[in-house]
Amino acid sequence: AQSVTQLDSHVSVSEGTPVLLRCNYSSSYSPSLFWYVQHPNKGLQLLLKYTSAATLVKGINGFEAEFKKSETSFHLTKPSAHMSDAAEYFCVVSDLSGGSYIPTFGRGTSLIVHP
Amino acid sequence: GAVVSQHPSRVICKSGTSVKIECRSLDFQATTMFWYRQFPKQSLMLMATSNEGSKATYEQGVEKDKFLINHASLTLSTLTVTSAHPEDSSFYICSARVPTSGYANTGELFFGEGSRLTVL
Repeated sequence: AQSVTQLDSHVSVSEGTPVLLRCNYSSSYSPSLFWYVQHPNKGLQLLLKYTSAATLVKGINGFEAEFKKSETSFHLTKPSAHMSDAAEYFCVVSDLSGGSYIPTFGRGTSLIVHP
Repeated sequence: GAVVSQHPSRVICKSGTSVKIECRSLDFQATTMFWYRQFPKQSLMLMATSNEGSKATYEQGVEKDKFLINHASLTLSTLTVTSAHPEDSSFYICSARVPTSGYANTGELFFGEGSRLTVL
C-alpha cells in the first residue's frame, strides 16, 4: 500500500526567504509523485511531478522538488517566497499497488507568507 | 494541459432538496473521473471513482444512495447530493485522468475548480 506524510501542517516564512515543505512517502512500486497547490475555494493546480525521469524536478512559479529514493522523500522548495505563494500545498503519491493509479493525498501544508 | 470544468462553483439549497454538480473534461475524453469531498482545513477525501458506462465505485463509508454518481459520456460525470442536509455542506472537487500514454502511465490528475455546497 502507498502512503504519504506531510510533516508540517503549517509553515510560516517571510517574503523573500526560502520555502521548504516536507513530504515523505511509502510505496512498494515505482511511484509517481506530485505537488499540487490549492488557493482558497479553488481546485488543485499541479506545481510539478516526478515520474521516474530526472530526480530534480522544476515546476511552475519557481518551485522545485527532489526525489530521494534512499530517504523516501520529495520535499518542495523555492528560493524566495512571494506573498502570492500563500496557499495550501498537497503532496500526492500514486503507484500501481491497487492495479491502477489511485492517488493518495497528504494532509496538506498551509504556507503562510509574512510581508 | 488538460482542462476540467466543474459547475456550479457555489450552490446554496434548502434542507431536503437535491443538488447536481457537473464535471466536464473539455479537451479530452475521460473514462475515469474521481469525486472528492474536502472539509475545512483538511485534505481531500476520495468519495468515489466514476467510470464511463458503468457503476461508480464508492469508498467505504460513502452512502451511494445519498451521493449519486452518473458518468453517462466520456466528457461528463455528475454528482447528485440527494435530500441534502446541513451536514452535507462541504467543498466537492472532481478530477480526471487523461487516458493518453503521456499521462495515463503516471497517475497525474487534472482537477475541476470545486463546488461549494451550503445546505440551510
